[in-house]
Amino acid sequence: EAGVTQSPTHLIKTRGQQVTLRCSPISGHTSVYWYQQALGLGLQFLLWYDEGEERNRGNFPPRFSGRQFPNYSSELNVNALELEDSALYLCASSRSTAVRDSNQPQHFGDGTRLSIL
Amino acid sequence: QKEVEQNSGPLSVPEGAIASLNCTYSDRVSQSFFWYRQYSGKSPELIMSIYSNGDKEDGRFTAQLNKASQYVSLLIRDSQPSDSATYLCAVRSRNQGGKLIFGQGTELSVKP
Repeated sequence: EAGVTQSPTHLIKTRGQQVTLRCSPISGHTSVYWYQQALGLGLQFLLWYDEGEERNRGNFPPRFSGRQFPNYSSELNVNALELEDSALYLCASSRSTAVRDSNQPQHFGDGTRLSIL
Repeated sequence: QKEVEQNSGPLSVPEGAIASLNCTYSDRVSQSFFWYRQYSGKSPELIMSIYSNGDKEDGRFTAQLNKASQYVSLLIRDSQPSDSATYLCAVRSRNQGGKLIFGQGTELSVKP
């Protein structure tokens, strides 16, 4: 079974540019999550999509946005890049956790390492 | 107070010893608890999940959960040098849907 796949693996951008990161979940998984792992800051929750809808959003500015497609793949868009956006961006997927007491574990992709110059 | 706290380490144990990793959380309605292992430069890998009070064993790994004390731990028996990694504790609250809240991680070093 293929795992979560992310593209690209590495990206170098300059301040003010825009970037789109992509994620394909494990087959059968409908929930997709995005996390940011900046140096020394740990994993911070960005966004959660389930069945095409944004379900929850972390404490990030509106220039971080995304969407989920009918095939459950997802994109993360970051506009007006800033130096502090340099981080590893991780996508995870699980079976649906939209049900209140769902305990589905999340499985991570290899991430996209974004460097802002 | 951080929502999920772990000892930052590094924790150093000799090969063959038991490594004990600890995690406390602040949200009393937390319902799901996960341990991930992250090798340097790699993404987190799920190694254990636990949802009920008590112990859960999987091979050399045992997760322990005490909801009254808001405490979850991971024991690694017969530690191997290949276990050297950062271990992340993650918690899901009943009130926050699918969102996981991660601790800062504990770096484990197993010395041959």
